[in-house]
Amino acid sequence: QAGLTQPPSVSKELRQTATLTCIGNNNNVGSQGAAWLQQHQGHPPKLLSFRNNDRPSGVSERFSASRSGNTASLTITGLQPEDEADYFCSSWDNSLNAYVFGTGTKVTVL
Amino acid sequence: QAQLVESGGGVVQPGRSLRLSCVASGLTFSTFGFHWVRQAPGKGLEWVAVIWFDGSNIHYSDSVKGRFTISRDNSMNTLYLEMNSLRAEDTAVYYCATDNGDYAYEYWGQGTLVTVSS
Repeated sequence: QAGLTQPPSVSKELRQTATLTCIGNNNNVGSQGAAWLQQHQGHPPKLLSFRNNDRPSGVSERFSASRSGNTASLTITGLQPEDEADYFCSSWDNSLNAYVFGTGTKVTVL
Repeated sequence: QAQLVESGGGVVQPGRSLRLSCVASGLTFSTFGFHWVRQAPGKGLEWVAVIWFDGSNIHYSDSVKGRFTISRDNSMNTLYLEMNSLRAEDTAVYYCATDNGDYAYEYWGQGTLVTVSS
């Protein structure tokens, strides 16, 4: 099953802003939106954004999600050391009748 | 506070079977759908299967279709994943995660490791 495309890595300076992208198609991101998850090494994923771009309770306002066409984006403002993690997007694909995940982006805070 | 606890992982030979369980607490189990998501060592997340809150809809990834079966027992607050004809490429940490019908992945378990090896 085809997944969603994410850049393998993003590196930014402390307190800078990072924007992560997730490219899908009309059957998934373009019509269903995308959720965003953060995963620290050795831990389960944590939901950062619902597919409608709202944040679950307790998630920092520094994380904001958006979508334009078939591309979903996650913006992290004021990067902190604890933001170093892997980030995944996910969407329902109504052609595959399956959920798909992005390839993941590793964020490094310099 | 919702809590999901997976169990049943272990080392199994290729071609054999294994059943994973995910016990939920702190939420109304019968109102949630559930996903199984796996992660091979050093790799990204791979969606495996989903079951609706009432079991009326079930979907699988192509990689497990015909070999894995997702099910649930609402009276026991437990989700299952029956895995048959296991292959080396099924080796992964298996996570269960919630779906409230509108939004997926709000709550996750800690995962259980399945190793398929001779």
